[in-house]
Amino acid sequence: EAQVTQNPRYLITVTGKKLTVTCSQNMNHEYMSWYRQDPGLGLRQIYYSMNVEVTDKGDVPEGYKVSRKEKRNFPLILESPSPNQTSLYFCASTTDGGGTYNEQFFGPGTRLTVL
Amino acid sequence: AQSVTQPDIHITVSEGASLELRCNYSYGATPYLFWYVQSPGQGLQLLLKYFSGDTLVQGIKGFEAEFKRSQSSFNLRKPSVHWSDAAEYFCAVEGNAGNMLTFGGGTRLMVKP
Repeated sequence: EAQVTQNPRYLITVTGKKLTVTCSQNMNHEYMSWYRQDPGLGLRQIYYSMNVEVTDKGDVPEGYKVSRKEKRNFPLILESPSPNQTSLYFCASTTDGGGTYNEQFFGPGTRLTVL
Repeated sequence: AQSVTQPDIHITVSEGASLELRCNYSYGATPYLFWYVQSPGQGLQLLLKYFSGDTLVQGIKGFEAEFKRSQSSFNLRKPSVHWSDAAEYFCAVEGNAGNMLTFGGGTRLMVKP
């Protein structure tokens, strides 16, 4: 089954304790991205990657890191989480459309609470 | 920069009634527009999309949307709402940075029996 998986689905942590949220897709997609969802703000892009070893900032990259060492994986790293990073996080992937749109597939979400 | 506005944060309709969710966008070129639905505790599912051509697009679950360039709108409609349609709905536009989606703030739909 074609899918995007995220782990963990739920995480409660404390300020300053480094964490990683994993994202993996099995569709051989070039393009992957991370979004955070906050009430009234919709989804905002944090980082995206157009292929292996190619990453770039989205709209709200502060406080986050990413890496893309393999095509299928795109982990989101919070080196020193703060309470304002409490949010619902979504990973998404799609093929590189080369100027045409290809549907983005979203993971199930990771609900993060930083105390 | 592109932006999307969904003016209605919450909407409540009776089951069987018609539905229209509003979406206004700001984008300098011909937009790619989308509607996604998010059921409670779930990820996002694509309902429909507009790229070009016919301005009335049909989607899954009986939804449709109409692109109106003059009004910069892409409103979502359904003639008869079912209780299972209760969810949050997001309008989005594809941005310049290749495959980057800009989302509206979402509209939460509640359906009364």
